[in-house]
Amino acid sequence: GQQVMQIPQYQHVQEGEDFTTYCNSSTTLSNIQWYKQRPGGHPVFLIQLVKSGEVKKQKRLTFQFGEAKKNSSLHITATQTTDVGTYFCAQAGMSNDYKLSFGAGTTVTVRA
Amino acid sequence: SQTIHQWPATLVQPVGSPLSLECTVEGTSNPNLYWYRQAAGRGLQLLFYSVGIGQISSEVPQNLSASRPQDRQFILSSKKLLLSDSGFYLCAWNRDTHSYEQYFGPGTRLTVT
Repeated sequence: GQQVMQIPQYQHVQEGEDFTTYCNSSTTLSNIQWYKQRPGGHPVFLIQLVKSGEVKKQKRLTFQFGEAKKNSSLHITATQTTDVGTYFCAQAGMSNDYKLSFGAGTTVTVRA
Repeated sequence: SQTIHQWPATLVQPVGSPLSLECTVEGTSNPNLYWYRQAAGRGLQLLFYSVGIGQISSEVPQNLSASRPQDRQFILSSKKLLLSDSGFYLCAWNRDTHSYEQYFGPGTRLTVT
């Protein structure tokens, strides 16, 4: 089945700096979702992107879906300690079971 | 509003013992339900999913089984646990209406000793 690859695996960020994490696929995606998992917690849905070139913002987080719908990015500006966690992208197939295929995640740590 | 519950929150079991983890969803009907396992510091591995009562699909061959005795209840079981069954078990649901986003329960941390 389709798989999404996330890079980098780890991201160490100085508080206040910006960073971007990427999600790539070798095939065209029908949609892409992003989740955040805080240390010790469970994944929480952040956003879903469906349209080619779509850009959505949530405060300091900017999510983008590539024009070819083969990649996505999450950009965080002015990183805060609350941004610590693992960010997963996930893509859904077209079957009625609505299964998701998750990337391996980008684990973010913040230096105060 | 919808909520999802999992219990127990943590569990320590000896090798060879049985397992039963329960997940229930409130505030919705006919959800799709999913069981995932997450090894320490790793991604999410889909174990089972269910689109209706009594309908279970297995994603990977393993020592585990799942059942859905009621619309909003999903159970993960094992007859004999292995050391490799240790991990963080997450239940999730989504609406059965062209919705892909999944909502996760708080999870169960299982340690097999």
